[in-house]
Amino acid sequence: GQNIDQPTEMTATEGAIVQINCTYQTSGFNGLFWYQQHAGEAPTFLSYNVLDGLEEKGRFSSFLSRSKGYSYLLLKELQMKDSASYLCAVRDSNYQLIWGAGTKLIIKP
Amino acid sequence: SQTIHQWPATLVQPVGSPLSLECTVEGTSNPNLYWYRQAAGRGLQLLFYSVGIGQISSEVPQNLSASRPQDRQFILSSKKLLLSDSGFYLCAWKGANGANVLTFGAGSRLTVL
Repeated sequence: GQNIDQPTEMTATEGAIVQINCTYQTSGFNGLFWYQQHAGEAPTFLSYNVLDGLEEKGRFSSFLSRSKGYSYLLLKELQMKDSASYLCAVRDSNYQLIWGAGTKLIIKP
Repeated sequence: SQTIHQWPATLVQPVGSPLSLECTVEGTSNPNLYWYRQAAGRGLQLLFYSVGIGQISSEVPQNLSASRPQDRQFILSSKKLLLSDSGFYLCAWKGANGANVLTFGAGSRLTVL
């Protein structure tokens, strides 16, 4: 079966750095996505990785290792508004998106 | 620019009642359209997707149905709701030119009592 694993919940302090991990087992691989979802709202796109390595976009970076079936989302200089769920999704060989259950990130002052 | 509208935002329905959720996209043509359901503690579940008018693919057998009467309109329906249909429903679109990113509507929170 296809599976995406990410921690259910994480807590971090304002101004700090947090890394949210995602491991996957899918039928093929055609890219990995990270989305941010605030409570009661729609997911919004953060990043896309299809090749190994680090993609940096402002305070957010996303890393991919295809050989390890592993990605992480790195958030720097955390702000209270970063409190949200972070969803990892992988596109498989049929170009269907497989979604993780999301990681709820709680930021404390 | 492209925008996606989804309504109603919230609704409470009794078991056995019908359902209609509507989604429209503006600023693009021939989009791929999707209906997802999000249950607490679970990943997004793809319910239906459409690559064109009248073309519907169902991913999960259930008492829901979808229709695409116009290029930029996607409707999720049920004739008789079940308790298990409660959840957060999300419409999304993706450009038909192979663009990678799904853009979601604001979502519809359905509670079946």
